[in-house]
Amino acid sequence: DSGVTQTPKHLITATGQRVTLRCSPRSGDLSVYWYQQSLDQGLQFLIQYYNGEERAKGNILERFSAQQFPDLHSELNLSSLELGDSALYFCASSPPGPGGYGYTFGSGTRLTVV
Amino acid sequence: GQQVMQIPQYQHVQEGEDFTTYCNSSTTLSNIQWYKQRPGGHPVFLIQLVKSGEVKKQKRLTFQFGEAKKNSSLHITATQTTDVGTYFCAGSPGGYNKLIFGAGTRLAVHP
Repeated sequence: DSGVTQTPKHLITATGQRVTLRCSPRSGDLSVYWYQQSLDQGLQFLIQYYNGEERAKGNILERFSAQQFPDLHSELNLSSLELGDSALYFCASSPPGPGGYGYTFGSGTRLTVV
Repeated sequence: GQQVMQIPQYQHVQEGEDFTTYCNSSTTLSNIQWYKQRPGGHPVFLIQLVKSGEVKKQKRLTFQFGEAKKNSSLHITATQTTDVGTYFCAGSPGGYNKLIFGAGTRLAVHP
């Protein structure tokens, strides 16, 4: 257990649907990051939150959105799903500070769009 | 935008052989981190390098950060089957910026 909790672990849904992925960061960590990993691919940065505020955006589609709540958990919303959205979605967290800390990753949510 | 390139994409070695993966950034980095992802697992933080020319060792693993802070390498001596996985480098230009991950090097070790 890395300390970062992601739910659900698996999700199968149909095209056009909307899903919500949830992440609870490690205790004490203020930053949450979302990454997408397609089959045999690298980690594509989607978005970062720090203490409830959006800090950086990567290649996140307009159909995707995220937020970080006051209790620091984060949700990634994926809408109008397409087959190509099938991937492993990782959440990671890191401690507060100017950066340079290793990320702690959750176990990921495997999304399958059929 | 910032890019982090990593080579090779795949590496197959016999157990006991050495392995090296290389990482190169298009911009100067404030730090570089290395992660390992076992098959079916999630990335796990291995190490962070911050200083120009820095070299760090973890048992059979040696990590280097280039003098210009734009490249890095991970060398594994005498690979073992437990070293199987994908090794990612990840760079940050600094501050609160997010990490940009390389595409990873998948290591297969044949007994």
